[in-house]
Amino acid sequence: GAGVSQSPSNKVTEKGKDVELRCDPISGHTALYWYRQSLGQGLEFLIYFQGNSAPDKSGLPSDRFSAERTGGSVSTLTIQRTQQEDSAVYLCASSPLAGVHNEQFFGPGTRLTVL
Amino acid sequence: GQQLNQSPQSMFIQEGEDVSMNCTSSSIFNTWLWYKQDPGEGPVLLIALYKAGELTSNGRLTAQFGITRKDSFLNISASIPSDVGIYFCAGRGGYSGGSNYKLTFGKGTLLTVNP
Repeated sequence: GAGVSQSPSNKVTEKGKDVELRCDPISGHTALYWYRQSLGQGLEFLIYFQGNSAPDKSGLPSDRFSAERTGGSVSTLTIQRTQQEDSAVYLCASSPLAGVHNEQFFGPGTRLTVL
Repeated sequence: GQQLNQSPQSMFIQEGEDVSMNCTSSSIFNTWLWYKQDPGEGPVLLIALYKAGELTSNGRLTAQFGITRKDSFLNISASIPSDVGIYFCAGRGGYSGGSNYKLTFGKGTLLTVNP
């Protein structure tokens, strides 16, 4: 398919473990975004990539969260020493560029459960 | 941070009825977007609004960008069972320090359609 894909679709982990979440954006999209959706809540912005650089990391909740993007394509969101409050759906989106008329296309998300 | 107030939180209607939901903000946005999210999926863009006062339709959906740029509504006419899902409004840019890429989401309206 030509859409944004994410893996795994579900991840159950124990408190204190590290997890990596992967996002494959739409081919050719230079902008990539990570959001977090907690139960019954709207989406919360985490980080934005333009190419391989992240000009805005302002939404990352703590220094346990980090993300990288390589080759202007795949991105990985890493959560170290997971806590129960990290349980949420993590959504990735991409757009051709950033800005007006460059709307974001979302992947299906990774549901993270921290026991 | 910026917040969008979306209402109602949930709606339960009969097939064939019309639906209206809205979002308000204390801050101005340059773009208003409406997304729909099905269970286990990422949000899908329904309508994008770029100009104050703009009224846009997409099939049975109609959305308007408020004149003050602080609100928007979404109407669904003649609802059908597949309209079931969570509808989110999102705003981008405009307020002091606002970016041209970061989306601020409402908490969503859960729509249930009874056949």
